[in-house]
Amino acid sequence: DGGITQSPKYLFRKEGQNVTLSCEQNLNHDAMYWYRQDPGQGLRLIYYSQIVNDFQKGDIAEGYSVSREKKESFPLTVTSAQKNPTAFYLCASSIDPDRHNEQFFGPGTRLTVL
Amino acid sequence: LAKTTQPISMDSYEGQEVNITCSHNNIATNDYITWYQQFPSQGPRFIIQGYKTKVTNEVASLFIPADRKSSTLSLPRVSLSDTAVYYCLVGDGNTDKLIFGTGTRLQVFP
Repeated sequence: DGGITQSPKYLFRKEGQNVTLSCEQNLNHDAMYWYRQDPGQGLRLIYYSQIVNDFQKGDIAEGYSVSREKKESFPLTVTSAQKNPTAFYLCASSIDPDRHNEQFFGPGTRLTVL
Repeated sequence: LAKTTQPISMDSYEGQEVNITCSHNNIATNDYITWYQQFPSQGPRFIIQGYKTKVTNEVASLFIPADRKSSTLSLPRVSLSDTAVYYCLVGDGNTDKLIFGTGTRLQVFP
């Protein structure tokens, strides 16, 4: 059953701690993306990767880091430098980096920093 | 950045046609316009995409005028399960970045 998975669904962390959100896809897609969504707002791009071992900053990359060591995995680390990390985080993938391609989204991880 | 403006919310009744408009005053010349649907606590799902004029698929139609500064998502005969938030996605003509609109919350009543 092909798709994109994110874990965990809910995550609680204390202020000042780094936390890593998992994103895995078995669609054999080259491109992967991380978005942040705040209540009542649209999606904002954090980082994206067009190919393995390569990634670029999106609109709100400060306080976040990513890696792309494998085609199927694109973990996001929320560092203590991110001033307001509580949000809904969405991972997506597309077959290739063509910006017109449909993006397939995972179910999301809701991060709450206490 | 290009401003992608959508109505915050819309109400409808089952069986009616719903039209949701997205205004994008500075869309990139070569970019498509894409619409996504999102249910609470889920990731968005692709609905339809177009470049100009009209596009239709099994769930929706997309109308794009000649100047491409707006687009209208049309949902025929909505049902309760169409209650969701709808987002447009366009490319900014200055930065070439893809930008999601702020979303329109559609509530369908029986």
